[in-house]
Amino acid sequence: GAGVSQSPRYKVTKRGQDVTLRCDPISSHATLYWYQQALGQGPEFLTYFNYEAQPDKSGLPSDRFSAERPEGSISTLTIQRTEQRDSAMYRCASSLGGLSNTGELFFGEGSRLTVL
Amino acid sequence: SQQGEEDPQALSIQEGENATMNCSYKTSINNLQWYRQNSGRGLVHLILIRSNEREKHSGRLRVTLDTSKKSSSLLITASRAADTASYFCATGDSGGSNYKLTFGKGTLLTVNP
Repeated sequence: GAGVSQSPRYKVTKRGQDVTLRCDPISSHATLYWYQQALGQGPEFLTYFNYEAQPDKSGLPSDRFSAERPEGSISTLTIQRTEQRDSAMYRCASSLGGLSNTGELFFGEGSRLTVL
Repeated sequence: SQQGEEDPQALSIQEGENATMNCSYKTSINNLQWYRQNSGRGLVHLILIRSNEREKHSGRLRVTLDTSKKSSSLLITASRAADTASYFCATGDSGGSNYKLTFGKGTLLTVNP
């Protein structure tokens, strides 16, 4: 697509429920990233994919968080048994390659998650 | 964890004035990037400077990098009300993943008309 698309834009859920967020990256981009951004803070790295491979999950806060990109394009981020501290903006970004190549990340508008 | 730290946290200026934001970081880097975030919107890439570069220009933007001091500055000249946004520096760690960008907490710039 023309840009990075995320859905839903807003999600309100009750504590303990599972949520799944979706990201559709720029079609020519091999690399896809997930970031978490709390209010008033910068984005914090969660994980990234090179096509369908997921080389780095180091930023995922707990095993309740998981991400997939089974066909190397669309990705989902799933949070199981949500907790109030999971409330944040979840941002997806994509890039042509690694930082030593083009370096630039293209971000979507984000999915704002509120856990009650 | 956040690698970069922007300074100041907030900056308010009049239209037409220049705005300078600073970023300090902790580890050796491959490159440093600046992003802008308008309220409620996604982040937009502004400029990238590599570790072997000292200064870079793009339109009204000027970025400097001092690897000995582990710091960078972003200068916006002749600011406009539309420049009102949060500005983040982000670093790619030379010793780590070629893919992980670490962002600072940002500077909130307000340009008053």
